[in-house]
Amino acid sequence: QVQLQESGPGLVKPSETLSLTCTVSGGPINSDYWSWIRQPAGKGLEWIGRIYNSGTTNYNPSLKSRVTMSVDTSKNQFSLKLSSVTAADSAFYYCARGTSGDGFDIWGQGTMVTVYS
Amino acid sequence: QSVLTQPPSASETPGQRVTISCSGSSSNIRSYYVYWYQQLPGTAPKLLIYRNNQRPSGVPDRFSGSKSGTAASLGISGLRSEDEADYYCAAWDDSLSAVVFGGGTKLTVL
Repeated sequence: QVQLQESGPGLVKPSETLSLTCTVSGGPINSDYWSWIRQPAGKGLEWIGRIYNSGTTNYNPSLKSRVTMSVDTSKNQFSLKLSSVTAADSAFYYCARGTSGDGFDIWGQGTMVTVYS
Repeated sequence: QSVLTQPPSASETPGQRVTISCSGSSSNIRSYYVYWYQQLPGTAPKLLIYRNNQRPSGVPDRFSGSKSGTAASLGISGLRSEDEADYYCAAWDDSLSAVVFGGGTKLTVL
């Protein structure tokens, strides 16, 4: 059974870059695409973007200028970088597997990232 | 302000049926599949409904989804206390070229 696990620093300073990695276990990384979704404490879900195994990406327009996603098929991992963070970027960050037409069917447990000064 | 509009809360007694609405537009719900996610307290969201009305394996048939025009709805029948959760609708939006979520509906089983 495929499982996802997010990893990365839980604290990031303002103006710095948030970096997270999602490790795929229990199966190959050759799904349709992989996404990052975030959720500020007590608030709703926000799609950050997705990356296909080919490396093609789509980003949320509201974050596009600050987001970079990458995939490393040899390590069964994909990653998120969000630059110039502010307190508004503090949130739970989830990685998820996406398949065309089938939604986000597998999610990581999430990791809390706090932007602090 | 979410692109998809959901009521912030809903409540019903055990055993009854509740419906949660999700309102969108021609650039999202009318043109694309709608998905529903359940988020139990302190956990990651879980896919509940895909392709408007399909249930993943393991999701009870008490959960149902429908779509008409620019609106979708999630129905939960035979409510149980363990159904208390936040429910989110989602769809692709081709004006934004992004996945959009509703603001979420907190379901309380009285």
